[in-house]
Formats: sequence, C-alpha cells, structure tokens
Amino acid sequence: EAGVAQSPRYKIIEKRQSVAFWCNPISGHATLYWYQQILGQGPKLLIQFQNNGVVDDSQLPKDRFSAERLKGVDSTLKIQPAKLEDSAVYLCASSSDLGGTYEQYFGPGTRLTVT
Amino acid sequence: AQKITQTQPGMFVQEKEAVTLDCTYDTSDQSYGLFWYKQPSSGEMIFLIYQGSYDEQNATEGRYSLNFQKARKSANLVISASQLGDSAMYFCAMREGAGGFKTIFGAGTRLFVKA
Repeated sequence: EAGVAQSPRYKIIEKRQSVAFWCNPISGHATLYWYQQILGQGPKLLIQFQNNGVVDDSQLPKDRFSAERLKGVDSTLKIQPAKLEDSAVYLCASSSDLGGTYEQYFGPGTRLTVT
Repeated sequence: AQKITQTQPGMFVQEKEAVTLDCTYDTSDQSYGLFWYKQPSSGEMIFLIYQGSYDEQNATEGRYSLNFQKARKSANLVISASQLGDSAMYFCAMREGAGGFKTIFGAGTRLFVKA
C-alpha cells in the first residue's frame, strides 16, 4: 500500500512570495490533515478535511493560507504572501474513518524556508 | 480546551533497558483517543500505538505499551528493550470526541539510546 505523498520536499522562497504544497493521501482514506511543524515544536493542525468538506480550520491563518481538496482525494495548501514566520515543515496526513481509531499516517513533509 | 503536556524535553536510556515517556492530558470529553507517534531525524511521523478512553486494557504493540491511568489523565509510553533505532522524538497526541475531530500534539520528548 502506497503511503502519503507530498511535494515538493523542500522549498525556499522570499517573503511576500507565494508557494503551494501538494498532498496525495493513502487510497481510501476519507480524512486529510495539514499540519505546520515549527522547529522544536509538535505539529499544529492547520486544516482537516473529511472527504472534500472542511471539518476544522480554526488555526488556519485565512488571510494568507488557503487549502482545498478537490474530489475528496488530493489536496493543495497555499501560502500567499509568505512571511518569515511561515518557515516550518508542512506535514500532510490521512486517516481512515473505519475502525474508529483514526490513527494518522503522515507524508514526508515539505520543508519551507522563507528568507 | 484540549491540552497535552509532555514534561520531559529529553531522556537518555541505555540500550536494552526499558524507558517511560510521560504524557498527561486535559479534556472534558468522555470519549477521546490517545496516540503516540515517533519522529526520527528523517522527519516522518510514524504511528506507534493507540488507546481509546473506553478501553479497559492498556494498549500494547510489540515493544511499545501505553500505561493508561484515566483518573490521573496520564498516558505514558513504555518502550521495552530499547534499541539504538529508538532514538527519535516522541509525540503524545489526543483526539477528542467520538468522530475524527481535531487532534492536538504535545511538544515532544527527545529520546537518546546509548550503546
């Protein structure tokens, strides 16, 4: 079974530029998550989708961040314009709604550096 | 509000010995799930073990066991027979509610296994 795929793996941009990240979850997983992990901290949930609907986006800075999940499969996370404090690893995860445990399977992450 | 506390920023353990990583949580929900994830230096988050709030038995997965003390709101991870490959960051996480609601992560504990 293929894992969660993310691209790109690394990205360096200047502040005020825009950037987009892509995530392909595990096949059949209904729920998809985007996390921001700043160096030395635990992951912080940005947005959670169930199929193509948003379950939680309370910690998404909506003035600059946006995310979509078309057709309930792939997802993109965009930052526009980027700030220095957006430098972090962006993790995508997915989980199955079957079984009731909702353990999450993570992709390798995208390391963003904003200069 | 949800809260996860991991009070040990770093831990050392001798190879082949057991180690306990602490986690306490705070929730007003009766239904919740507790998770432990491992994050090696490569950056990918790996699911280790799950405990549901209604599970009466402590969860075990191979060398990992979760010491669940509901009244004390603690969910400590025990790793038996430590191996050099266990050196990593370990995150405790909690999902509130009966559905796949928001999951929050603790700050993590870095484990160093000494040869």
